[in-house]
Amino acid sequence: DTEVTQTPKHLVMGMTNKKSLKCEQHMGHRAMYWYKQKAKKPPELMFVYSYEKLSINESVPSRFSPECPNSSLLNLHLHALQPEDSALYLCASSARQGTVQSEQYFGPGTRLTVT
Amino acid sequence: QQQVKQSPQSLIVQKGGISIINCAYENTAFDYFPWYQQFPGKGPALLIAIRPDVSEKKEGRFTISFNKSAKQFSLHIMDSQPGDSATYFCAASSVRGSTLGRLYFGRGTQLTVWP
Repeated sequence: DTEVTQTPKHLVMGMTNKKSLKCEQHMGHRAMYWYKQKAKKPPELMFVYSYEKLSINESVPSRFSPECPNSSLLNLHLHALQPEDSALYLCASSARQGTVQSEQYFGPGTRLTVT
Repeated sequence: QQQVKQSPQSLIVQKGGISIINCAYENTAFDYFPWYQQFPGKGPALLIAIRPDVSEKKEGRFTISFNKSAKQFSLHIMDSQPGDSATYFCAASSVRGSTLGRLYFGRGTQLTVWP
């Protein structure tokens, strides 16, 4: 089973709201990723967690705050977003980061609209 | 600087035909080359991947051809079907150095297969 689940599927939020995106995997993977994808563009890496520790932050604005409570869960906390942050937010996982077991499996994404 | 260049941007193929998507890279440290298939509103799905110790890998109707000396790789979809209509992303990563297995995506190819 290579399933990564994400909730919610859709989210509409105002610029003053606080919301969270959730990602879960039960494949025993120890690396988890957040990506942002705009229409007709490839996914853009935002954060990487390896063994529950943040290993990569791609200079993402602080209004995005990631959290990895345990090896199966990854959250993305959102606060004071801008309309240009509207996008598909993808979570992915891989067995290990930066090794031969680096196949990344993506979830279905959360479609975020900031009004 | 785009690490992986993908062409064409869009491709229209008749049902039963062969779809060919090409990618090129510069970083010789790359040692893992996956292809992802993405349908509208869905997350990318890992389709097939190759490592540079082989020149070709085939899975069903999908084949990756890899040319290490030319730093190019391509996806061939044989007997293309309307259900193959999707966006295809090539990617590359390396287990060595500071990139920590980060995926570098091409810009994507929108494939349309006419019945």
